[in-house]
Amino acid sequence: QSALTQPASVSGSPGQSITISCTGTSSDVGGYNYVSWYQQHPGKAPKLMIYEVSNRPSGVPDRFSGSKSGNTASLTISGLQAEDEADYYCSSYTSSSTLSYVFGTGTKVTVL
Amino acid sequence: QVQLQESGPGLVKPSQTLSLTCTVSGGSISSGSYYWSWIRQPAGKGLEWIGRIYTSGSTNYNPSLKSRVTISVDTSKNQFSLKLSSVTAADTAVYYCARVISAAVDYWGQGTLVTVSS
Repeated sequence: QSALTQPASVSGSPGQSITISCTGTSSDVGGYNYVSWYQQHPGKAPKLMIYEVSNRPSGVPDRFSGSKSGNTASLTISGLQAEDEADYYCSSYTSSSTLSYVFGTGTKVTVL
Repeated sequence: QVQLQESGPGLVKPSQTLSLTCTVSGGSISSGSYYWSWIRQPAGKGLEWIGRIYTSGSTNYNPSLKSRVTISVDTSKNQFSLKLSSVTAADTAVYYCARVISAAVDYWGQGTLVTVSS
């Protein structure tokens, strides 16, 4: 099972909006509404930011939103803030693996 | 508030077996429709699913690691464990235990670094 494809890096200025893509196939992202997104600061464990494509856990700012179109899921951060600088990973349910889960390759978000 | 904590040796010799335990507090490992998982991350690299176990004891493993991985659960101790055999330097990573619901990890352990070296 290959990892989902994410851009290596995305950057933006404070206050701007950025979007991170996560591309898979019809066996994972495109076939199920089980895409999640994680934020990871250096030396820390990842934190769940979005689950089931577009749902935010309690406590996650509404600046973070998720969506999906075809085989590509997206995470949008609106009103970018300095503390949003981190690595972001998507994950999806997959029917192509007996384990049923696959991560994306990860995206480094830089706040300019 | 559910908390997960990994424990185990931080240094393992090549060809030996890596063993880690995850202790769950703040809730019973037997309650709810959760999968309990292990995930690892080599330094400077991305996340990799290792495997998962349901409270019934049923398991699923990453096909690339399946021949070397065993995940088990001890409900009496509210713990689940990872064993990875025949380790090499490529298995050096931070290992996380995690709770999974609806294919999303809602709780993570803090992670533990395991180095494979003689």
